[in-house]
Order: sequence, then structure tokens, then C-alpha cells
Amino acid sequence: EVQLVESGGGLIQPGGSLRLSCAVSGFSVSRNYMNWVRQAPGKGLEWVSVIYSGGSTNYAESVKGRFTISRDNSKNTLYLQMNSLRAEDTAVYYCARDHGLGEWFDYWGQGTLVTVSS
Amino acid sequence: DIVMTQSPDSLAVSLGERATINCKSSQSVLYTSNNKDYLAWYQQKPGQPPKVLIYWASTRESGVPDRFSGSGSGTDFTLTISSLQAEDVAVYYCQQYYSTPPYTFGQGTKLEIK
Repeated sequence: EVQLVESGGGLIQPGGSLRLSCAVSGFSVSRNYMNWVRQAPGKGLEWVSVIYSGGSTNYAESVKGRFTISRDNSKNTLYLQMNSLRAEDTAVYYCARDHGLGEWFDYWGQGTLVTVSS
Repeated sequence: DIVMTQSPDSLAVSLGERATINCKSSQSVLYTSNNKDYLAWYQQKPGQPPKVLIYWASTRESGVPDRFSGSGSGTDFTLTISSLQAEDVAVYYCQQYYSTPPYTFGQGTKLEIK
């Protein structure tokens, strides 16, 4: 059975850092394109970042230079290191698997809430 | 970046009636070499992650009821629910995967019961 379980969210002050984790079972993170997608309260979906099976990465302009996506193949876990957090980063963060090589997202986690506030 | 625009923003339909949601992309998402439209539809119920309903603009995901259908090509797409059920109350999103990154979503359409 496929499962994606996010953790690491919480309340953080502006300018702070947080690392999100996404523990995956049922498939290998290293063999898939893995993404982070966020959703601000009451708002729509915003793609954040992708790590490709080869290890290269890409980011939305809104987080470039502040967020870093990575994975630990031995733990089959995806990460999102978030630095210099801003109020506008407040959102539920989902990890999601790309079905293929730049296709739709077929498996999603339940999400973890990040609140950036003083 | 490709901008996805959905209409309407919200929709109220009676049980058993047809619901239609539109999605327009700022440029074509049709890849002519394989004649596929790189467009997906998702359903998101309150407190849940999105769930893919349709991909390649018109291919229904396994397990999705056949009252859900997708149509359109190029820049204009439609998600149709042929006979609305109570469990279909949700927000629906379109997404393009033609030109990534970034993957871009429509702003969402909230579907309610009239």
C-alpha cells in the first residue's frame, strides 16, 4: 500500500527555519519525481519544488533561494528545508508523487501545517 | 509560465443535475507529437489532499465514477459531472503539466449543492 506521511510543521516566527519530512512507503522516492505543493488557508494549490529521480531540483520563484528539497534514499524520505520564512509561507504543505516524468500527481500525503507568525 | 484560469469560481447544482467546470490555459497544452493534452483535474474535499480524477484531459483515473468526464483540447477544457451526488461537493482544480516547472493549477472551483 502506498503511503506518504508528512511531519515537521508547526508555528515558527518570521525569519525562522523549519524542516518538513515526508516518509514514503510503497514505492521508492529515488525512482520517482517527488514534489512539494502548498495550500495557504482558504486558498488554492501552489507547486513549490520538485526533486527528479536523477537528483536535480527545481523551485517556484516564490521560494527559490530560501527552500531546499532533498531526499534520503536509505530512509525513503523526502525533505523540505525552509529558511527565512515569511508570513506568506503559511500553508499546508503536501508531498506528492509525479505519476511519470513531469505528469500529474497521483499520490499525495495528508499534509502538514506551517504557520509563520510572531 | 502557463496560467490556468477556471470558471466559475463557485457553482451550485441540484442533486442529479449536471455540473460543468471550465478551465482555460494561457497557451496550448497539446503536445502535437503524441496528440496528448497535458491537463489533469483534481477533486479536493475539506480537510483532505487533492485526488486526481482525470489526466490527459479525458482519461479517468482508476476507481473514479463514470459520471466524471473530461473534454477539450489545446487551451479550453471542461470537467463534467453528469449527475451530481452529495459526495461530489468539493473544490475542483485543473493542472497543466505541459511546461514544467512550474506545474500550475487553476484557482479552483467550489461545487455545492443547490
